[in-house]
Amino acid sequence: EVQLLESGGGLVQSGGSLRLSCAASGFTFASYAVSWVRQAPGKGLEWVASIGSGGTTYYADSVKGRFTISRDNSKNTLYLQMNNLRAEDTAVFYCAKYRTMGATRDFDYWGQGTLATVSS
Amino acid sequence: DIQMTQSPSSLSASEGDTVTITCRASQSINSHLNWYQQKPGKAPNLLIYAASSLQSGVPSRFSGSGSGTDFTLTISSLQPEDFATYYCQQSESPLITFGQGTRLEIK
Repeated sequence: EVQLLESGGGLVQSGGSLRLSCAASGFTFASYAVSWVRQAPGKGLEWVASIGSGGTTYYADSVKGRFTISRDNSKNTLYLQMNNLRAEDTAVFYCAKYRTMGATRDFDYWGQGTLATVSS
Repeated sequence: DIQMTQSPSSLSASEGDTVTITCRASQSINSHLNWYQQKPGKAPNLLIYAASSLQSGVPSRFSGSGSGTDFTLTISSLQPEDFATYYCQQSESPLITFGQGTRLEIK
């Protein structure tokens, strides 16, 4: 059974940092691209960043230069390092797995989410 | 970036109705369009990928169509569990974007 389990959310002051983790199981993690998608309270879904199986990364303009996505295939874990946080970064952060090993960029499994709250 | 616009933003319907949600892309995305359902407090769930392919385990009352810039999600014979928020997502570009969502409410 595929599982994605996020952790690392919490309360941080504006300008601070958080590191989110997503522990994956039930599939060959190293073979799949994975992404972070966030959802501000009461708002819609916003894609944040993706990392391919080979390590290629992509970022939304809203986080480029502040957030870094990375993966440790030996630990089956995805990370999101978030620096210089702003109040508008407050959101539930989901990790999500691509449906196929190709670049289909659709997400068939999601974690339960972890809440990051940035106080101003 | 490719902008995705859904309509309507909200929709009221009754059990047994058929409803259609529209998604428009700011440029051609071929058939690289996906649909998700999200219920309050839960992660999104993939319904349709590649515009018209039904994800495994999703009931056949859900269907998708379209290509290029205009796409639709149709839900036939609405069931109580279908009242939720629906999002489209383009997967043409590695810079992924979602529509703003359509909230489907019980009339």
